[in-house]
Amino acid sequence: QKEVEQDPGPLSVPEGAIVSLNCTYSNSAFQYFMWYRQYSRKGPELLMYTYSSGNKEDGRFTAQVDKSSKYISLFIRDSQPSDSATYLCAQRGATNKLIFGTGTLLAVQP
Amino acid sequence: SQTIHQWPATLVQPVGSPLSLECTVEGTSNPNLYWYRQAAGRGLQLLFYSVGIGQISSEVPQNLSASRPQDRQFILSSKKLLLSDSGFYLCAWGTGDSGQYFGPGTRLTVT
Repeated sequence: QKEVEQDPGPLSVPEGAIVSLNCTYSNSAFQYFMWYRQYSRKGPELLMYTYSSGNKEDGRFTAQVDKSSKYISLFIRDSQPSDSATYLCAQRGATNKLIFGTGTLLAVQP
Repeated sequence: SQTIHQWPATLVQPVGSPLSLECTVEGTSNPNLYWYRQAAGRGLQLLFYSVGIGQISSEVPQNLSASRPQDRQFILSSKKLLLSDSGFYLCAWGTGDSGQYFGPGTRLTVT
């Protein structure tokens, strides 16, 4: 079992839709999670990071951690074509190393 | 504000040739530095990380090496490239309590 798993997609939604991106993790010892956005042929950009359970909101983005189910989610409200990218989740483990999911490709159709 | 640079942006090298990729960070001191490789359609694989000058930890045994000659400079090298070394190489920096921040990447094609 991979430490962080993510559905690769692709996920296609119409403009304005609410997008839900999800990951599962296996190691409960580490409770620091991050979401990155990566445009094609670019480096990943840190969107949000959260600690332990609960929600964190930043503009149209909400990150959620559910410790009981080992599930992390990123919600995008009022999705825009400019949100089309690959979204990577990550768990920060020992010595601050990040364990990444393989990424979900999102396409927002105008 | 902090900035991270990588060069070159694109590189095509023959099998057996040497490699040197450079990464520099501005606007921060004593950062943790990381090298990742991203193969097509796959996630990010951590190759090396460094917590200080001259301190390098290797995550994956391979024909690559890394060095940190200065506080904000991180270099990825190889003496002889293999076809399997092709990929997108990303440098990142971070501190203990923050996420990691990535550079623009170097796309390496070994022919």
